[in-house]
Amino acid sequence: AQSVTQPDIHITVSEGASLELRCNYSYGATPYLFWYVQSPGQGLQLLLKYFSGDTLVQGIKGFEAEFKRSQSSFNLRKPSVHWSDAAEYFCAVGATGGGNKLTFGTGTQLKVEL
Amino acid sequence: DAGVTQSPTHLIKTRGQQVTLRCSPKSGHDTVSWYQQALGQGPQFIFQYYEEEERQRGNFPDRFSGHQFPNYSSELNVNALLLGDSALYLCASSFTGTSNQPQHFGDGTRLSIL
Repeated sequence: AQSVTQPDIHITVSEGASLELRCNYSYGATPYLFWYVQSPGQGLQLLLKYFSGDTLVQGIKGFEAEFKRSQSSFNLRKPSVHWSDAAEYFCAVGATGGGNKLTFGTGTQLKVEL
Repeated sequence: DAGVTQSPTHLIKTRGQQVTLRCSPKSGHDTVSWYQQALGQGPQFIFQYYEEEERQRGNFPDRFSGHQFPNYSSELNVNALLLGDSALYLCASSFTGTSNQPQHFGDGTRLSIL
């Protein structure tokens, strides 16, 4: 069975500081990995995805993530956080095809201090 | 290009009632998935519809049922509502015909059970 662990429930960073959100997954085959962001009262917006190829993937809003098979991790990073990045971030793993069911982590709530 | 649209935005029901939630997929998408997101949790996969049939199902009771129409729109029905059914219900769409296409989410329907 596939699963995702996001060890950090809450993270607070200062505006302009770097950010890394952790994600560990469990999946029997080559995983399809995603990061989504959710603002209060909103749905999920796709930040980036990994299907295959280059293990460092670039997304929207200046985010990037690195797939490390040996560590079963897919951590999200941003070099300089903006106040508008405050939101909840979800890591998800999916089966082949990308459009199949997603298994989400419990999310990391990001707070940005001005 | 309209994204995924869901209706209604908010809904209040009482225990034992039945509810129907609606979803229109993003233009060009043919597959619809439904997720339940309880407060403080990540989304949980309910089921997925493709070609008007349920293709995958998560660990939800038979009280949760769905339908997909020829125009690819979808409904989620929940019977005999319980207090624990209070959640944000998210619809996601994707295109099955091309591999590695991610799911796009709507803003959800907030269901409150009194």
